[in-house]
Amino acid sequence: GENVEQHPSTLSVQEGDSAVIKCTYSDSASNYFPWYKQELGKRPQLIIDIRSNVGEKKDQRIAVTLNKTAKHFSLHITETQPEDSAVYFCAATNGAAGNKLTFGGGTRVLVKP
Amino acid sequence: GAVVSQHPSRVICKSGTSVKIECRSLDFQATTMFWYRQFPKKSLMLMATSNEGSKATYEQGVEKDKFLINHASLTLSTLTVTSAHPEDSSFYICSARVAGNTDTQYFGPGTRLTVL
Repeated sequence: GENVEQHPSTLSVQEGDSAVIKCTYSDSASNYFPWYKQELGKRPQLIIDIRSNVGEKKDQRIAVTLNKTAKHFSLHITETQPEDSAVYFCAATNGAAGNKLTFGGGTRVLVKP
Repeated sequence: GAVVSQHPSRVICKSGTSVKIECRSLDFQATTMFWYRQFPKKSLMLMATSNEGSKATYEQGVEKDKFLINHASLTLSTLTVTSAHPEDSSFYICSARVAGNTDTQYFGPGTRLTVL
């Protein structure tokens, strides 16, 4: 089955700096890669996603890049703000088994003012 | 759009009792819903995939007789934790996939279960 590794597990950045989170996946058939943001005690919120036919996608201060050959994808947050502090999860699916997602272990991001 | 609700948000029960958690898609139809369990400071662990009108598919290691799942309509799935024990205490989260959209999942707010 699919295995998703996420790094780093914790990330501390100064407000205004950029944050980068990297994920690798094992199943070459995976074709959909969402990123979720989860604040303490709250639901995971979809913040951006990318499909395998696209190499990069951007939405304001966040962007995701995908390298299918290397089987890794990354989340980039620019001009970080304190409200970006949360746990971020990457995930992957190959569309099988009901499109179930396999999640990475999560990255706890702290943006220091 | 794409709002998922869960009820209750918190529940405390005695050991040996059963607890039912509801997951509803409020403004869309969901042929598939997923149930996750999340331990403190950990990732989401998929427990089962709930398909409307058919039996749920459980992940390896998840007891189907312990965690009963029913998906009777396109907007409602329920998870019943039977004969709950303290080790079942956890944060349970559901997600729903929009019918016709094969990818995007939207999550409910979660249910914190505490078994005394």
